[in-house]
Amino acid sequence: DAMVIQNPRYQVTQFGKPVTLSCSQTLNHNVMYWYQQKSSQAPKLLFHYYDKDFNNEADTPDNFQSRRPNTSFCFLDIRSPGLGDAAMYLCATSRGLYGTLSPATNEKLFFGSGTQLSVL
Amino acid sequence: GQNIDQPTEMTATEGAIVQINCTYQTSGFNGLFWYQQHAGEAPTFLSYNVLDGLEEKGRFSSFLSRSKGYSYLLLKELQMKDSASYLCAVMDSNYQLIWGAGTKLIIKP
Repeated sequence: DAMVIQNPRYQVTQFGKPVTLSCSQTLNHNVMYWYQQKSSQAPKLLFHYYDKDFNNEADTPDNFQSRRPNTSFCFLDIRSPGLGDAAMYLCATSRGLYGTLSPATNEKLFFGSGTQLSVL
Repeated sequence: GQNIDQPTEMTATEGAIVQINCTYQTSGFNGLFWYQQHAGEAPTFLSYNVLDGLEEKGRFSSFLSRSKGYSYLLLKELQMKDSASYLCAVMDSNYQLIWGAGTKLIIKP
């Protein structure tokens, strides 16, 4: 009963060739996130959507774009992948944004299984 | 700057107990999370602490001291499947999640 589904599991692309990673969720959560995680490093938030409201992190390169056509789906587009973009890309969801929920609610992230991107 | 410190790697024996520490310096505090991440897989939620003290959940417990900027994750009766990375993440005053790089836990028979 996968709740956050990422496709593909492994993606190989060529230097400079655009690539799209996809994420879907069956949780009906309002918020969807994209993280980049390199080996033995902390996940790095790229951006998130609250419903259709897009929020970009200040240090996310312009090379990374995202689309959320509906509640269930979210896409990560890398326009011109470089060797430094090889990483695990994690999609996550949450029911709401932290700070908008009641104090009794423990909000947590639900992650997909990730897409491991290789750039040749 | 904001910072989360965890040991890079720890080794423990099957059946034993291990404590994974996390210290943090953040602008404000709105809770601390522990996630487990098996190699090549996504993180999964383990625990959330916002008040001082110990939260126990089966074989796993998590402790928080806000005055010391310190938390630990305690794993009892270790099993081979507990071999994973354990990520500490703190929510700051802006409700941004600050992640540690994780502690790789190796369990030996």
